[in-house]
Amino acid sequence: NAGVMQNPRHLVRRRGQEARLRCSPMKGHSHVYWYRQLPEEGLKFMVYLQKENIIDESGMPKERFSAEFPKEGPSILRIQQVVRGDSAAYFCASSSRQGAVEKLFFGSGTQLSVL
Amino acid sequence: AQRVTQPEKLLSVFKGAPVELKCNYSYSGSPELFWYVQYSRQRLQLLLRHISRESIKGFTADLNKGETSFHLKKPFAQEEDSAMYYCALKEGMGAGGTSYGKLTFGQGTILTVHP
Repeated sequence: NAGVMQNPRHLVRRRGQEARLRCSPMKGHSHVYWYRQLPEEGLKFMVYLQKENIIDESGMPKERFSAEFPKEGPSILRIQQVVRGDSAAYFCASSSRQGAVEKLFFGSGTQLSVL
Repeated sequence: AQRVTQPEKLLSVFKGAPVELKCNYSYSGSPELFWYVQYSRQRLQLLLRHISRESIKGFTADLNKGETSFHLKKPFAQEEDSAMYYCALKEGMGAGGTSYGKLTFGQGTILTVHP
């Protein structure tokens, strides 16, 4: 089991472009979380998804950000019209069941740089 | 709102010395506390959680509700303990918290153990 896979590892975008970050959870996991880490800060919760459902998006910015976890394929975090303040490390985590906080498995993250 | 504070960004000790990584939290209810660790070029992973009252790799952490602290301790540090350590909090279920992995992280402490 390769663990939680995130790609790309590094993503460079110019202001106004779109960024798409992908996360493939561990095999057998149907719960996905996205966290963002701004420079000099801790990880901050963004969104929690199950297959085809957004369960909690209380940490998502109201505009430009969206997330999905389709029935088939990876979870996608999409940032439209990126700005310099979006530069951060974006981490995905997965678990096998809703209450399994102690069994959150993290990916290696995607470092987004906005020029 | 809940908050987790790790006052030390950097902590250096010599091999064999005791080490304590501080974590303070702000939360009105009964939280669940965790320590996560990220070794060099590896993914963020769970080290221990207060509910388990366990010792992992010689580390222990006691939840002190009076001082709202969850400091991580090890009596004799080893070079392989060098890593980034994050304290994290999850709202307790009794306070209307979630049953899933929505965590609040501290800023992290980089521990360096010198030979």
